Amino acid sequence: AQKITQTQPGMFVQEKEAVTLDCTYDTSDPSYGLFWYKQPSSGEMIFLIYQGSYDQQNATEGRYSLNFQKARKSANLVISASQLGDSAMYFCAMRENEDNFNKFYFGSGTKLNVKP
Amino acid sequence: DTGVSQNPRHKITKRGQNVTFRCDPISEHNRLYWYRQTLGQGPEFLTYFQNEAQLEKSRLLSDRFSAERPKGSFSTLEIQRTEQGDSAMYLCASSLVDYDKQYFGPGTRLTVT
Repeated sequence: AQKITQTQPGMFVQEKEAVTLDCTYDTSDPSYGLFWYKQPSSGEMIFLIYQGSYDQQNATEGRYSLNFQKARKSANLVISASQLGDSAMYFCAMRENEDNFNKFYFGSGTKLNVKP
Repeated sequence: DTGVSQNPRHKITKRGQNVTFRCDPISEHNRLYWYRQTLGQGPEFLTYFQNEAQLEKSRLLSDRFSAERPKGSFSTLEIQRTEQGDSAMYLCASSLVDYDKQYFGPGTRLTVT
């Protein structure tokens, strides 16, 4: 089974509107972490937001928020008030512990295009 | 604040040759990670270090790949007897602790002809 699933290869959003990027995960580790990264066309990976499995509240970082639904194993990224500079690839990632070592898994990404 | 740097940025090599990449993490970061990313895919975890100790190596990593972090500072990733399937972007990242955000370098793009 895939550890991280991103089912939206591409998304379009109008500038200034909100958009939700989907992410589901699979793990049996009770203590895990979820991340979202942005990768513009220039190639660098930029950290956006982190959610720990025991965190009671959804994480927020400026215009980014993570809609964490633990029972459904989903960790969707919400970007409010989209800007043209938000056009990029977005990757959901997970850290889990296996055999006393941490391992990291990334999804296949969602390409977001913000339209003026 | 100096970010993560990687050298070289691009490498073209012939099949069968050995290549070595270097990563310089953010100076106070004790965790260092290597990933491989092919076109249209997310990064694939290869290995990581805490200081100079290599803590984990992906089962997907063949014996042709080796990584070192001799003094707990910079790291090198060597690929021996390169194959065309090794063509990818090789990303390095560092962090203070492994549940914290990872800062990525610009990557080294390898092309094996």
